[in-house]
Amino acid sequence: DTAVSQTPKYLVTQMGNDKSIKCEQNLGHDTMYWYKQDSKKFLKIMFSYNNKELIINETVPNRFSPKSPDKAHLNLHINSLELGDSAVYFCASSWGEGTGELFFGEGSRLTVL
Amino acid sequence: GENVEQHPSTLSVQEGDSAVIKCTYSDSASNYFPWYKQELGKRPQLIIDIRSNVGEKKDQRIAVTLNKTAKHFSLHITETQPEDSAVYFCAANSGGGADGLTFGKGTHLIIQP
Repeated sequence: DTAVSQTPKYLVTQMGNDKSIKCEQNLGHDTMYWYKQDSKKFLKIMFSYNNKELIINETVPNRFSPKSPDKAHLNLHINSLELGDSAVYFCASSWGEGTGELFFGEGSRLTVL
Repeated sequence: GENVEQHPSTLSVQEGDSAVIKCTYSDSASNYFPWYKQELGKRPQLIIDIRSNVGEKKDQRIAVTLNKTAKHFSLHITETQPEDSAVYFCAANSGGGADGLTFGKGTHLIIQP
């Protein structure tokens, strides 16, 4: 069984479009995250979310919005895509908030043309 | 917020030699320091972690050391093998954990045969 799964794995779209990436974890973790990995391999946190609180990295444009229908899912919606949004987006989950192992999904490679 | 610096960005060693990667962090409240390995095209995976109440931890060929006073921690890989070739990331939790993990910029480890 896949612990953290993301869909789609690859996404190619035009500038200005809106897209979503879905994430599900079956580990029973209480905290989920979205990380962005750019072409230089830098891993940067975008959001962390548990069923109590959403913490947003202040550098993330408000075109990005996380949506959590329940504890096991944290989807990422992106409006008005820009060229600079091209990256690999990783969903992750953990027990607690930054105090235990992060389990990453396989990543979703987004290419904006 | 937390700032994690990682050096070197690229490290090339002969097979069988040792490799050392160093990181520093800024938030004195940080108490969890994991190391992740990311192979090409794959997700980051935890290889070892250390908490602030411990100075050193070892798992077979991999060891991590932590100096809380100096705010730095290091990854040591002995008897390197070709399968150790990957990008390695250090990380530290920030805000005592509430802000998730902040990652270093990664070290590309190359094992020369």
